Amino acid sequence: AAGVIQSPRHLIKEKRETATLKCYPIPRHDTVYWYQQGPGQDPQFLISFYEKMQSDKGSIPDRFSAQQFSDYHSELNMSSLELGDSALYFCASSLGPAGGLGDTQYFGPGTRLTVL
Amino acid sequence: GQQLNQSPQSMFIQEGEDVSMNCTSSSIFNTWLWYKQDPGEGPVLLIALYKAGELTSNGRLTAQFGITRKDSFLNISASIPSDVGIYFCAGQLGGGATNKLIFGTGTLLAVQP
Repeated sequence: AAGVIQSPRHLIKEKRETATLKCYPIPRHDTVYWYQQGPGQDPQFLISFYEKMQSDKGSIPDRFSAQQFSDYHSELNMSSLELGDSALYFCASSLGPAGGLGDTQYFGPGTRLTVL
Repeated sequence: GQQLNQSPQSMFIQEGEDVSMNCTSSSIFNTWLWYKQDPGEGPVLLIALYKAGELTSNGRLTAQFGITRKDSFLNISASIPSDVGIYFCAGQLGGGATNKLIFGTGTLLAVQP
């Protein structure tokens, strides 16, 4: 079965540079979530989108922005990168309200961002 | 940010042993999920629980949604080497409120052949 696709899988940037992470949800999934996982930490929610509209916002820095496009893929844009932004960034997708019971999220393989 | 209390933090067991881990919260959730994560990979969904008191199995895995909606446990029977990884519980409020997942602190499982 098709899974969530994330690109790139690895990204190395310098401080103050910008980065764009992409997420392609499972086909028919209309809801996308972004999470950040630091070394040895659990994933922390950043932001989510349902039907191309922002549906929830977590601890996402103002330097970060995201959007969901008409084909439901999503991009996380990160500017003025700092050393502390080095982490694994996961995208998860779900069927949203159409999923019935719960809103079960399926995770992609992640993008490992290293800021030097 | 908010976290769920997950225990134990780590477990080192022999192949064939049973494993139990649990998650507690000070607030209620409407959905509990259990994920397994291998190093450098994304969390993989193991079991989803949608109803208080629900007991669900997936092969050698069994999980329960606590009746108070503030806790959940995961049992793994007859562990095998490929069970190695980090197990996370996650709670979701849902129901028209936020659908974000709140993760537990994780349980590192090591299985010795």
